[in-house]
Amino acid sequence: SQKIEQNSEALNIQEGKTATLTCNYTNYSPAYLQWYRQDPGRGPVFLLLIRENEKEKRKERLKVTFDTTLKQSLFHITASQPADSATYLCALVDQGGKLIFGQGTELSVKP
Amino acid sequence: GAVVSQHPSWVICKSGTSVKIECRSLDFQATTMFWYRQFPKQSLMLMATSNEGSKATYEQGVEKDKFLINHASLTLSTLTVTSAHPEDSSFYICSARGVAGLAKNIQYFGAGTRLSVL
Repeated sequence: SQKIEQNSEALNIQEGKTATLTCNYTNYSPAYLQWYRQDPGRGPVFLLLIRENEKEKRKERLKVTFDTTLKQSLFHITASQPADSATYLCALVDQGGKLIFGQGTELSVKP
Repeated sequence: GAVVSQHPSWVICKSGTSVKIECRSLDFQATTMFWYRQFPKQSLMLMATSNEGSKATYEQGVEKDKFLINHASLTLSTLTVTSAHPEDSSFYICSARGVAGLAKNIQYFGAGTRLSVL
């Protein structure tokens, strides 16, 4: 079955730096991959969707890449701010049509 | 953007009682809604898929008689935790999928319900 792996260790960076989060999957390449943000005690909020034929997608300070050869997606936040501190979840639809999530990476941006 | 409202946000109940959680899509119709459960520091685990007008599809290991799901309209799905016990304490999150275009591939989530069973 499809598995998603994200860095389980929290990522701590200084304000203004670029945060880079990694998402690896193990089996077939999905048609698209999604990134969500989750704050403590809240539901996930959709950020970006990238299709398999798109190498890169941008939205304001966010950038996502999708490498189907490496079976990996990278999520970048440029000019990070303390308000960006949250857990970021990678998700993709499995062959049964269900959205499955990685365990998430907690990002902490220090002022 | 699409909004999903989940209520209540927090509930405390005694062991043996039943708790109902509502999930509403406010500005779009959702033929399919999903119910997830999340334990601290863990990922979201899909419990069941709820389809309007039909029976829900439960994931392996999820008791359908324990977690009753009703999707009576295109904008409302409910999850009832029956005879709740302390081990049912968790964070329950619903989501709804858009029906057309790009939104068809995106799930919009409610804010979640924190259930504490004493």
